[in-house]
Amino acid sequence: EAEVAQSPRYKITEKSQAVAFWCDPISGHATLYWYRQILGQGPELLVQFQDESVVDDSQLPKDRFSAERLKGVDSTLKIQPAELGDSAMYLCASSRATGTGGYGYTFGSGTRLTVV
Amino acid sequence: AQSVTQLGSHVSVSEGALVLLRCNYSSSVPPYLFWYVQYPNQGLQLLLKYTSAATLVKGINGFEAEFKKSETSFHLTKPSAHMSDAAEYFCAVSALGGAQKLVFGQGTRLTINP
Repeated sequence: EAEVAQSPRYKITEKSQAVAFWCDPISGHATLYWYRQILGQGPELLVQFQDESVVDDSQLPKDRFSAERLKGVDSTLKIQPAELGDSAMYLCASSRATGTGGYGYTFGSGTRLTVV
Repeated sequence: AQSVTQLGSHVSVSEGALVLLRCNYSSSVPPYLFWYVQYPNQGLQLLLKYTSAATLVKGINGFEAEFKKSETSFHLTKPSAHMSDAAEYFCAVSALGGAQKLVFGQGTRLTINP
């Protein structure tokens, strides 16, 4: 079964350092999402791509977060500088439909970020 | 706009007992509804989804959910709990069509007692 690949699985970084996460969606999936999940809460959308274009980044803290999907395939989410409150699970998901289209998403295993 | 409320952040049942996890949604347009399961330090796995076809939806691992428009509910059930069902469960809603995001509830942690 095809999977969404994310790396690294775990990352510990010091406050004020830069950190980056990578996601490779399922082949052929045009839509890619980055979600942040704080411990004990549900995931919240940070950014949504349709191919290489950003569709929704209204909840992305743009002063420190950036995301790109240059060739419309894999994607990178960056935080600079990291803050203690950024400690969370960062989940990538992809879908072959525009939006969910009833297909739902396929999620990766996530990157657990701890900022110290 | 869409939103989801999951009633009960923690549910505990005995092995073999009925599992009932509650989800109520709010949507200004006809919704798609989903249940996901998350095991510790893992991503989310789709259990089942409602996409405006049959109101009773069957999913993986013996779970099912019923869409009740009059009650704006989409509760998740399983007749007989198994120890392996212990996990976090998330209800999510999305609007039909278009580039619509999933909006998740806060989650319900299911514990199974032997």
